[in-house]
This record gives sequence, C-alpha cells and structure tokens, in this order.
Amino acid sequence: DSGVTQTPKHLITATGQRVTLRCSPRSGDLSVYWYQQSLDQGLQFLIQYYNGEERAKGNILERFSAQQFPDLHSELNLSSLELGDSALYFCASSVDGAGYQETQYFGPGTRLLVL
Amino acid sequence: KNEVEQSPQNLTAQEGEFITINCSYSVGISALHWLQQHPGGGIVSLFMLSSGKKKHGRLIATINIQEKHSSLHITASHPRDSAVYICAVRYYEDSGGGADGLTFGKGTHLIIQP
Repeated sequence: DSGVTQTPKHLITATGQRVTLRCSPRSGDLSVYWYQQSLDQGLQFLIQYYNGEERAKGNILERFSAQQFPDLHSELNLSSLELGDSALYFCASSVDGAGYQETQYFGPGTRLLVL
Repeated sequence: KNEVEQSPQNLTAQEGEFITINCSYSVGISALHWLQQHPGGGIVSLFMLSSGKKKHGRLIATINIQEKHSSLHITASHPRDSAVYICAVRYYEDSGGGADGLTFGKGTHLIIQP
C-alpha cells in the first residue's frame, strides 16, 4: 500500500459527459501528479500540483482540468468525454517534486471507460 | 519530440536467470526513474537515479550519463518478478527535451517461468 488513495476505482460513463477523479496523497507529501495510461499512448504525464499551485503541465487536453485543495487532495476533471479518453488514470505523490529527483508513490488508479 | 527507448519489448526467461532491461534517451536529463507495473495495474517506483548505481535486494539499476543509457538488472529472477518494467526520464528544461514532467518508455513485459 503506497498510502495514495484514488476514487473511484472504476468509472463507466457516456460520451459528452463530465467526471471527476479524486486523489489523496500520502501524509506529508505536497506534490501531486496526474498520469494517463492508454493502450496506444502508454503512460503520459498530465499535470503536477505543489502545495495548491500548478507546477508543471504536460499533455493535458483543454477539456481536462485539475486542482489541488488546501487539504492537499487533488481532483482531475474530465469533460466532454470522448471514446479515446478511456484509460487508466493514475495519481502519484511525492514530498517536494522539484526536478523530479524524488520517489513518486502511485495510487491504484481509476479505470475510466467511455461508451 | 524526444523519446525514451526500451529494449527488449518482451522478455521470457526461466526462474533463476539474470535479467537485463535497457533504457536509452536522447538529450540531457535531471532524473531517471524505473517503475514496475504489476499485472493488476498497480505501479511501484523501484529506483530514481541521477548518476551511478543503486541496489535494492535483487534489483540493480545503473545509469551512464555520457552514453545516455540506463539498465535495470534482476538477479536470481523469480516468477513474482513477472511484470511490466517502465523507464521514465525528466529532461532538463534547456535540453530541448520537450514536455515538462516525466517522459515514459513503452515498457518491457517480463515473464519469468518456473
């Protein structure tokens, strides 16, 4: 158990809908990262938050947004969903995250299926 | 777009064999991560390297900064080592590496047969 929790574990929805994925980092970790893993693209970095502020942005679509709250949990919002958004979404956390020179602890993932 | 190349893509070996998985990247990096993804999907971070060599149990990771290459070795392999092993790098901001965050290889699918 990494100490990172993600809810829900599975999500099935329809095209055009909006969903929210939730992540709680390990106690004491200030950085949260979101990743998408699809069959054709593999793992991709979406976005990083550090202590409530956006720190780095990767291949995140404009239809997707994220935020980190004062209690450090984070939410990833996916809107106007398309079939191609079906993927595993992982959250990870680390103490600081500067330079990515720290171990990241991964949550169990949320499996999203868009029908 | 700079990519992370892993080899081999697939590897099947017998229990007890010495395993080597390779990772190459193209420009300067500040960090390289080795991850293990279990058949159920969970991801565990094995190593973070910026230079040299690290060892944890039967796992050894090395990095050669000049050659832009890293290897992950498993000694005395066991069926429980069967998983996908993923290499990921963080490019320096001024290296022309492209996107922020970690860039991932496609993974090496390892099967250890008893």
